[in-house]
Amino acid sequence: EAQVTQNPRYLITVTGKKLTVTCSQNMNHEYMSWYRQDPGLGLRQIYYSMNVEVTDKGDVPEGYKVSRKEKRNFPLILESPSPNQTSLYFCASSFWSTSTDTQYFGPGTRLTVL
Amino acid sequence: SQQGEEDPQALSIQEGENATMNCSYKTSINNLQWYRQNSGRGLVHLILIRSNEREKHSGRLRVTLDTSKKSSSLLITASRAADTASYFCATDAGANSKLTFGKGITLSVRP
Repeated sequence: EAQVTQNPRYLITVTGKKLTVTCSQNMNHEYMSWYRQDPGLGLRQIYYSMNVEVTDKGDVPEGYKVSRKEKRNFPLILESPSPNQTSLYFCASSFWSTSTDTQYFGPGTRLTVL
Repeated sequence: SQQGEEDPQALSIQEGENATMNCSYKTSINNLQWYRQNSGRGLVHLILIRSNEREKHSGRLRVTLDTSKKSSSLLITASRAADTASYFCATDAGANSKLTFGKGITLSVRP
């Protein structure tokens, strides 16, 4: 089944404790991205990647890192999480660019930083 | 920065009625997409309309695009309780292939 998977689905952590949210897609997509969703603010893009080893900042990249060593994986790293990073996070992928392609979203990761 | 702005923010209708949701945007776009999100879940793509298209249909969905007014509408005909969800428009303005989402419309369909 074609899908985007994220792990973990739920995470409660404390300020400053490094964490990684994994994202994997099995559709051989070139383009992957991370979004955060907050009430009243909609979805905002954190980082995106147009191909392996190519990543770029989205609208709200501060406090996050990403890497794209393999086409299928695009982990989101929070080196020192803070409470303002409490949010619902979505990974998405598409075959090529967003110009012509449907984005496929993962199920989401609900992160709480205490 | 927010590109697409949906209107209304919330909509409540009776099952069987039509639901119309609007999206306005600020800059020229390559395409506009509509997505649905059931509570707490990932977004699901509904339909994509390109800047040179004016209308598109998919099942009970009808999307229009008016580039002169920088606006789009999503019509769901003969709504069902299962259509209850949040709906987002997303625009691709071409720069770095970035898709920018609006804040969403909450649609409630009463059985």
